[in-house]
Amino acid sequence: KAGVTQTPRYLIKTRGQQVTLSCSPISGHRSVSWYQQTPGQGLQFLFEYFSETQRNKGNFPGRFSGRQFSNSRSEMNVSTLELGDSALYLCASSLGTSGRETQYFGPGTRLLVL
Amino acid sequence: GNSVTQMEGPVTLSEEAFLTINCTYTATGYPSLFWYVQYPGEGLQLLLKATKADDKGSNKGFEATYRKETTSFHLEKGSVQVSDSAVYFCALGGSARQLTFGSGTQLTVLP
Repeated sequence: KAGVTQTPRYLIKTRGQQVTLSCSPISGHRSVSWYQQTPGQGLQFLFEYFSETQRNKGNFPGRFSGRQFSNSRSEMNVSTLELGDSALYLCASSLGTSGRETQYFGPGTRLLVL
Repeated sequence: GNSVTQMEGPVTLSEEAFLTINCTYTATGYPSLFWYVQYPGEGLQLLLKATKADDKGSNKGFEATYRKETTSFHLEKGSVQVSDSAVYFCALGGSARQLTFGSGTQLTVLP
């Protein structure tokens, strides 16, 4: 079974621009979560989607948004990029029936904001 | 809220040495506990998990036991290899539908 895929793998943007990242979950998984990883803050939860509905959201500004499609694929968008948004963005998928179940991660998208 | 406290790194060991990385947690209810590993330039890979008290997760020679009385989930391996060099994350999954991670421990194994 194919794993979680994320595109693109690398991105370079400038301040003020916006960016869209994509995630395809493991087949059959209906929940997709997004995390931001930085050297200073570690791994922080952004949001979680299940059946096209956002069920949970982390403590990030409104510039960070996401959505999920009917085929469970998900996108996240960051508008008006700031230097501090430079990070590795990780997507994870799970069956979605419980918060205690295993999440499987993709390789991440590394975003550099100049 | 939930939190995970993980042993600070970096940790440097010689090949075949014994490894312990400490992890303690605070949570409401009955969370699942995980260890993930991250190799350079990659995402997180699930190493092992435990879903209830006294469960032992194991994989590739690594083990961790879910200790509810001490709220701990320490990672151990009897004989590390150079290929085990990576960053290890302890994580907790509970009712909030999000993983809460420790700060990560960088492990370097020297030949």
